[in-house]
Parts: sequence; C-alpha cells; structure tokens
Amino acid sequence: KAGVTQTPRYLIKTRGQQVTLSCSPISGHRSVSWYQQTPGQGLQFLFEYFSETQRNKGNFPGRFSGRQFSNSRSEMNVSTLELGDSALYLCASSLLLGLMDNEQFFGPGTRLTVL
Amino acid sequence: ELKVEQNPLFLSMQEGKNYTIYCNYSTTSDRLYWYRQDPGKSLESLFVLLSNGAVKQEGRLMASLDTKARLSTLHITAAVHDLSATYFCASPGDFGNEKLTFGTGTRLTIIP
Repeated sequence: KAGVTQTPRYLIKTRGQQVTLSCSPISGHRSVSWYQQTPGQGLQFLFEYFSETQRNKGNFPGRFSGRQFSNSRSEMNVSTLELGDSALYLCASSLLLGLMDNEQFFGPGTRLTVL
Repeated sequence: ELKVEQNPLFLSMQEGKNYTIYCNYSTTSDRLYWYRQDPGKSLESLFVLLSNGAVKQEGRLMASLDTKARLSTLHITAAVHDLSATYFCASPGDFGNEKLTFGTGTRLTIIP
C-alpha cells in the first residue's frame, strides 16, 4: 500500500512569491492534515480537511490557505512568502475523522526555502 | 490552549543504559501518539496509546499512558545506536478533533 506522497520534495523561492504544495493521502484515507516544522517553533498544526471541508485551522496568517479535492488529495498555498516561512511542511493522512484509533501517517515532507 | 511538554529536550546516553522520556499534556483526550524522526526525514509512527493504562512495547521501546495524570512515558531499555533520533509525543484534541499538538521533541543520542 503506497504511503502519503508529497510534491515537490524541495522548493526554493524568493520573498514575495507564492507557492503551492501538494499531498496525496494513503488510498482510502479521507482526512488530511498539514503541519509546519521549524527549528524555532517545532511542529505546528496548519489545517485539517475532511471530505473537501476544512475542519480545523491553526494560528497562521491568511497567507496560508489550503483545499481538498474530491479524491482526498490536498494542496496548500502560501502567498507573499516571507523568510520565516522556510520550513519543512508535512502532510498527514488518516482513515476517518473521529475514530478512536485515528492514527495519522505522515508524508516525506516538502522542504521550502525562502531566500 | 492545549500544551504538550516533553522532557528532557536533549538526552545523551551510553549504549546498554535505560532511560525514560516524559510527556505531559493538558487535554482530556484519552489518546496519545509517539513518533520518531531521523535527521532530515519525516515522522514515523511508533505507538498509538488509546486509553488509560495502555502499555505498548516494540523492541527496546515501551510506551505507557496515564490519562488521570495526563502523562505518557517512553522507556528505552538497553539502548543501541540505532535508536538515536528525535522522539515526539503528540496529543489530539477532544474526541472528534484530530488536530495534533506536538511536544518539543527529545533529541536522543546513543553513544557507543
């Protein structure tokens, strides 16, 4: 069974640009969450999607947005990039929202560098 | 606001020794997750603890959960070099809220 895939794996952008990251969950998983990991702030929750609906949102500015498609694939977009957006962006998928054993499986991440 | 606190942040230990990583959390959730991360890599799921008193073991690692104390522990027995990594605990919100709040991580270095 294929795991969570994320594209691209590495990305270099300059300040002010925008970026779109993509995540394909494990087949059959309907819930997708996004996390940002930085050395200073650690792992922080960005969004959670289920059936194309955003269920939860973390404390990030409006420059960070996302969506989920009918096939459960998800994208996140960051506009007007800032240096502080440099991070590892991790996507996680889980089978169904609200199950007790709702283990989240993480993809390999996209490492974004903003110059 | 949910808080998850891990200690220690850094742990350097010799091969063959035992040690415990502690994870305190502030939600009323009955679930707690442990993950491992190698440098430059993603998160690998280690344990899913689903109820008070849950104990799970895999090789030299054993995790437990005390929901009354809101405490989880990850115990390392007879450490080997391959266990060098950063370990995170994570707590979801209340039932139905799958947002994970992660601890700060414990960077474990096993010295031969």
